[in-house]
Amino acid sequence: QQQVKQSPQSLIVQKGGISIINCAYENTAFDYFPWYQQFPGKGPALLIAIRPDVSEKKEGRFTISFNKSAKQFSLHIMDSQPGDSATYFCAAGPLRGSTLGRLYFGRGTQLTVWP
Amino acid sequence: DTGVSQNPRHKITKRGQNVTFRCDPISEHNRLYWYRQTLGQGPEFLTYFQNEAQLEKSRLLSDRFSAERPKGSFSTLEIQRTEQGDSAMYLCASSLPNRYEQFFGPGTRLTVL
Repeated sequence: QQQVKQSPQSLIVQKGGISIINCAYENTAFDYFPWYQQFPGKGPALLIAIRPDVSEKKEGRFTISFNKSAKQFSLHIMDSQPGDSATYFCAAGPLRGSTLGRLYFGRGTQLTVWP
Repeated sequence: DTGVSQNPRHKITKRGQNVTFRCDPISEHNRLYWYRQTLGQGPEFLTYFQNEAQLEKSRLLSDRFSAERPKGSFSTLEIQRTEQGDSAMYLCASSLPNRYEQFFGPGTRLTVL
């Protein structure tokens, strides 16, 4: 059972546009929600993360929106650039309890930004 | 480079052979995680260490898999009697004490022929 569901599977955006990737989770024990960026042949790189005590977090061109009641969160990439072309993974995990530290990942979104 | 390092980066082996991978975490990171990633999928959790103690193991970690972190620094992941289904990228991540952020290494890509 996929603990974190991510959509879309692939996304094509023009340079300067907004890229939006969505994720949903079921486990209410999850209270940490990071996003990772991965280039081919590389390990995932932490991009931005949020905890459920805030509804939005912004770092540069990247924004996470979080809806606790709907158990959904999304990544917005403003002014998308060709260099943003990569696979993006959302993840979720608990910060307490026996499974502390364990992250559950979505299946990824392959983003292509056309120049 | 002070990031997480993994060796080897690539490993090709024949079915039935044993393989061992090494992960060196970022200095002062006491938590170390192993994940497996297959093509087109997100990383899947395998196991997790805090210092030298292995605190959790996924059901994905069959009896053929063993991980160690003997001195609380580097870690090794061994797969015995490899199967073609073990072909994947094996990723290691580490985090600071009392911090949530996990930083990943470049991974070891295993191909089992």
